[in-house]
Amino acid sequence: DIVMTQSPLSLTVTPGEPASISCRSSQSLLHRNGKIFFDWHLQKPGQSPQLLIYLGSNRASGVPDRFSGSVSGTDFTLKISRVEAEDVGVYYCMQALQTPYTFGQGTKLEIK
Amino acid sequence: EVQLVESGGGLVQPGGSLRLSCAASGFTFRSYWMHWVRQAPGRGLVWVARMNEDGSITTYADSVKGRFTISRDNAKDTLYLHMNSLRGEDTAVYYCVSDLGGIKGSWGQGALVTVSS
Repeated sequence: DIVMTQSPLSLTVTPGEPASISCRSSQSLLHRNGKIFFDWHLQKPGQSPQLLIYLGSNRASGVPDRFSGSVSGTDFTLKISRVEAEDVGVYYCMQALQTPYTFGQGTKLEIK
Repeated sequence: EVQLVESGGGLVQPGGSLRLSCAASGFTFRSYWMHWVRQAPGRGLVWVARMNEDGSITTYADSVKGRFTISRDNAKDTLYLHMNSLRGEDTAVYYCVSDLGGIKGSWGQGALVTVSS
């Protein structure tokens, strides 16, 4: 199975400041079709998860442009340019290249 | 707007069975792979099973293989998860997810399954 490792596991950020979450996969997520099968999902408190970023760096519909995803080999980064109070929750990375699909441990973002 | 509404959760004894349903709307259900993902209390997300658009391909996590069956009815825009031989470690919120890994990735609100005597 592909192992997804996130860091940090918790993060406290002042509103208006940037934040960054990293995820590393145990093997390449590049499909032979050229697509990278990697997502970021956010689970806000008391809610079900929601898709933020798909195929490595594409924002899902309705996701604010302060969220961005980048890829460098097997290293993935989610950046929030200016954190807002509504961004609190647990952020999960996920690989969809092969089954079983696997998630990172989650990174809990809190507001200072 | 994509909507996925799960139902059928509840309390079941170890060894028992349960069937979850997921009613889909707001998108062309028959055109997308569908998935089940679960989350044990206070824990992270774990992928459980998937089915392709016409139901001809299914894949399962090792932990549920031989006990759970995913199915769909494209005429009713509904996804199912039949769960047999339930164990305490199957206790979780079960989410129905459309197009996981793709542009249409959407999650339902979840259905709680509690396995306990």
